[in-house]
This record gives sequence, C-alpha cells and structure tokens, in this order.
Amino acid sequence: GDSVTQMEGPVTLSEEACLTINCTYTATGYPSLFWYVQYPGEGLQLLLKATKADDKGSNKGFEATYRKETTSFHLEKGSVQVSDSAVYFCALSALSASKIIFGSGTRLSIRP
Amino acid sequence: NAGVTQTPKFQVLKTGQSMTLQCAQDMNHEYMSWYRQDPGMGLRLIHYSVGAGITDQGEVPNGYNVSRSTTEDFPLRLLSAAPSQTSVYFCASSSQRGGGYEQYFGPGTRLTVT
Repeated sequence: GDSVTQMEGPVTLSEEACLTINCTYTATGYPSLFWYVQYPGEGLQLLLKATKADDKGSNKGFEATYRKETTSFHLEKGSVQVSDSAVYFCALSALSASKIIFGSGTRLSIRP
Repeated sequence: NAGVTQTPKFQVLKTGQSMTLQCAQDMNHEYMSWYRQDPGMGLRLIHYSVGAGITDQGEVPNGYNVSRSTTEDFPLRLLSAAPSQTSVYFCASSSQRGGGYEQYFGPGTRLTVT
C-alpha cells in the first residue's frame, strides 16, 4: 500500500545552518505531496505542496521538489531560524482528498 | 472564516465514560477526517467522511463512532473510554475541488483517560 518514510529525528541545528529533511514515498499512480508543520501546542499547518513531477513547492524559505524518478520530496532550507523549531510531517494523497498518508514526523530544534 | 474548530481543547475522562468530541468547518469542504496523534507514531486515521451521510473506517477505528448529518459537522464519539485512548485528537477537512487535496486541521483536543 501507499506509504511515506521520513528521516527520524530529533534534528538539532544552530541558527543559520542549512536544513534537509529526507522524505521518500511509495504510491500507485501520481500522488500529490505535502509538507506540514506543527508548532508546539498547535495543529498541523500546510507548509508547501507539489501536485506533479518536477514541481517545486516553496513557502517561508522552505523548498521541496517532487522527484518521481527517486520517489522523493526532501524538505530544504538554506538558513534556519529559531522560529523554525517544530515537528515536520511529509504526506501524500494518492487517490482522493479523503485519505492523506503521513510520515511519522521529524522534530527540529534550532539553537540560537 | 473560522476554518476548522474543535471542542473541547482538553478533557479528562475516567475509564468507561463516554463523550463526544466536536468538530465543525465553515469552508464547505466535502471531506472530513479524524486523526489521533501519539508520541513517535505520527498521525493515524480513525474515521473519515466523503460527504454528508457517508462515513468509513480508517486505520484505527475500534472504540470510536462517527456520523455526518451535515456538511459542517463531524463529531467523534468515544463509546467507553480506555486508557489506550489517551491521545491528542485532530479533525481535518479537505476538498477535491481545484485539485491539491491539502487538509486543513483544527487545533486539537488533548484527551486523558484515567
């Protein structure tokens, strides 16, 4: 069945460091791919998305490119800030809007 | 728009008690879902609905009931609470219109069963 695998955390970086959180997927057909972010005590918010191969989603300095050949959707940011500390979830929607499959989440902590 | 709202924010139950977690959305989305979030396990789908009057089971449906009498509301009922149901519960809605299928989440209900 469809699945999402993302790198395990926690990940701790210093401010202004480069970030990559790996995400790979298994799906039939052509899924839409998402990154969600969860700040402490809050629900999940959509960070960015890509709906077809080679699309690049971007928001708040984060980017991810839909790579069909490697079935990946890695999240990147060139210079992280303390305010980026959160849990990040990779997700896919393959068949319909009713079913989104989430990865297990990666906790990111940024040191000042 | 308020988006997706959930009540209550926090709840403590004793084993065997029943309760209903409320969820409402004002975006006219046809799809609504309930998830539970446990440490180290990400989000797991409990039940979902593709429209008023239609519900289906997700990955972990046991011990929970849902109904969808209107487009806006999707309550989750715990029939007889157990300590294993201690978790954070999130309601979400989404639409297939326009493609993309991203889900919009409520702020969550933190439930403790003693």
